[in-house]
Order: sequence, then structure tokens, then C-alpha cells
Amino acid sequence: GIQVEQSPPDLILQEGANSTLRCNFSDSVNNLQWFHQNPWGQLINLFYIPSGTKQNGRLSATTVATERYSLLYISSSQTTDSGVYFCAVENNAGNMLTFGGGTRLMVKP
Amino acid sequence: KAGVTQTPRYLIKTRGQQVTLSCSPISGHRSVSWYQQTPGQGLQFLFEYFSETQRNKGNFPGRFSGRQFSNSRSEMNVSTLELGDSALYLCASSLSPGQQAFFGQGTRLTVV
Repeated sequence: GIQVEQSPPDLILQEGANSTLRCNFSDSVNNLQWFHQNPWGQLINLFYIPSGTKQNGRLSATTVATERYSLLYISSSQTTDSGVYFCAVENNAGNMLTFGGGTRLMVKP
Repeated sequence: KAGVTQTPRYLIKTRGQQVTLSCSPISGHRSVSWYQQTPGQGLQFLFEYFSETQRNKGNFPGRFSGRQFSNSRSEMNVSTLELGDSALYLCASSLSPGQQAFFGQGTRLTVV
């Protein structure tokens, strides 16, 4: 099956700093999604981004499908950005998400 | 528009018992998927349903089963519970397979 690797596994930032999270995947995919898991366990969908670049406030994401990676940018980080960020890819059959191991982000005030 | 609703939120069961978890998707969404999250294995795919049909199943034993009803609500059942089944069970809904997935808050199952 598809392998999904995220880096870095852990990241500590000072409030106001910028960061880049990376997601590499091993095969061609139908789509890629980024999620933020809050402290209560819910996965919040940040982006549905099979290719190209999207922006939502302080967050933006870029997927380069031909090179099999995606990047999530967080600018001017806030303490509420803390949590675990997952990327997930869907295979070409379009019937399941394979998740990476996540990046655990802590933003300090 | 209401989000994905999972019930119950927390559950404690004894080894050998069975459990049923429920998931109500976002109104209009017809695809429902289930995932298990544990500290050791991360997030793993369990099943996907679309229009009451199971389209795919992950690598889990037959003790794990599910179904989807005509109103798109889904249930998953785990029989003969084992300690290793303790996990956060997450349900996601999307308009159709391959579309943006929206997750519920999960059911945290503890098997003692």
C-alpha cells in the first residue's frame, strides 16, 4: 500500500514564528488532505488539496503531485495552533485514506 | 449545518463483550468511513460505506463489522472485545467517495 511520511515528528515554536510541515507519499494518489487534531481528539479538515496551492488565513498548503509531496505552512503561529497535524492520501481507487504519522506542534506563548 | 455526530463519546467495556458505535454523517453526505486510532499504530482504516454498500475494508479481524442504513447513518460493531481494541474510533463523512472528509469527535473505547 501507499506509504506516507511526515516530518518533522515534533516541532516547538515560539508564538509568532512561521513553520513548514512536510508530507511525502510513495505512489500516485487521487487526493491529499491535511487535518489538525485538537486536544479532544477531533480531526479538523484544513485542506483538500490533490495539487496546487491553497490558502486559508494564516495557513496555506501546496501539493506537488508529480514529485509526491505536500507542504503545510503556518504563519504567525498562535498557541491555539498546537496539536497534531496529519496528512492523509487517498489511493486512486478512491476508497480509503492512508494517514502519515503526524507532526506534533507545540506553540509556546 | 450539523457536523458528523458520533455516539457514545466514551465507553468502558469488559473483555469478551461486544460494542456498537454509531455515526450520523453531515446531512446530504452519503459516504461514511471508520478509522481506529491508537498510540502504537496511529490512524488505521476500518471500513468505507457508500449507498449502504461496503466498498472497502481495512486489515482488521472479522470481529469488526459495520453497516450503513438508508439514511446514511452508520454503525460499527466489535464482538468479543480484547484489551487491544481500546482506541479512539473516528467516523468521517463525505458527499461521495474521494471527496473532502469531515470527522466526528470520536468514540473513546476502553476495554478492561
